[in-house]
Amino acid sequence: DAMVIQNPRYQVTQFGKPVTLSCSQTLNHNVMYWYQQKSSQAPKLLFHYYDKDFNNEADTPDNFQSRRPNTSFCFLDIRSPGLGDAAMYLCATSTDTWQGNQPQHFGDGTRLSIL
Amino acid sequence: DAKTTQPPSMDCAEGRAANLPCNHSTISGNEYVYWYRQIHSQGPQYIIHGLKNNETNEMASLIITEDRKSSTLILPHATLRDTAVYYCIVTSGTYKYIFGTGTRLKVLA
Repeated sequence: DAMVIQNPRYQVTQFGKPVTLSCSQTLNHNVMYWYQQKSSQAPKLLFHYYDKDFNNEADTPDNFQSRRPNTSFCFLDIRSPGLGDAAMYLCATSTDTWQGNQPQHFGDGTRLSIL
Repeated sequence: DAKTTQPPSMDCAEGRAANLPCNHSTISGNEYVYWYRQIHSQGPQYIIHGLKNNETNEMASLIITEDRKSSTLILPHATLRDTAVYYCIVTSGTYKYIFGTGTRLKVLA
């Protein structure tokens, strides 16, 4: 089945040590998203790629960056993780949503813990 | 800020219909209403979406009021596996979902 795959499901890193989370998709969607979901909160959009065009949310900290080397893969880089960055990170994809009528498809997330 | 308001929690007896309301009084003419659910430790799962007309699929029905200021998601025969947080999202073609606080639905045996 076509899907959005996030690896690993659980990631532990040390305070200040860079970490990369990965997302791959077999849906051939041109838009990919990264969300942060802290405990007991709703997901919050960090940024998205429309093809290779990167779009950052205004309140996303500079500590968070992303790469999309090709259509299928997208990475979330946290340069210097702080304790407040412990969260579930969700990747999603969609086709062009300029009309707003294409749903986003989410992976099952990577839960990041900071020691 | 989210453009939707939902009750924080609801209970439903197994086998009964679950009716989850959502208020979106500031919705614009070109904005769609989407419903997702999130089961613990999983990513949000798409359920259904609509613009003006009522919609039905294999999972649920979506009833949108004529003025489009509110909607109701109906799970016709709730099961224990429907226990989840349900999010109502209003969006246009801006690639942006703003999740509200959602409704925590508990299906009771």
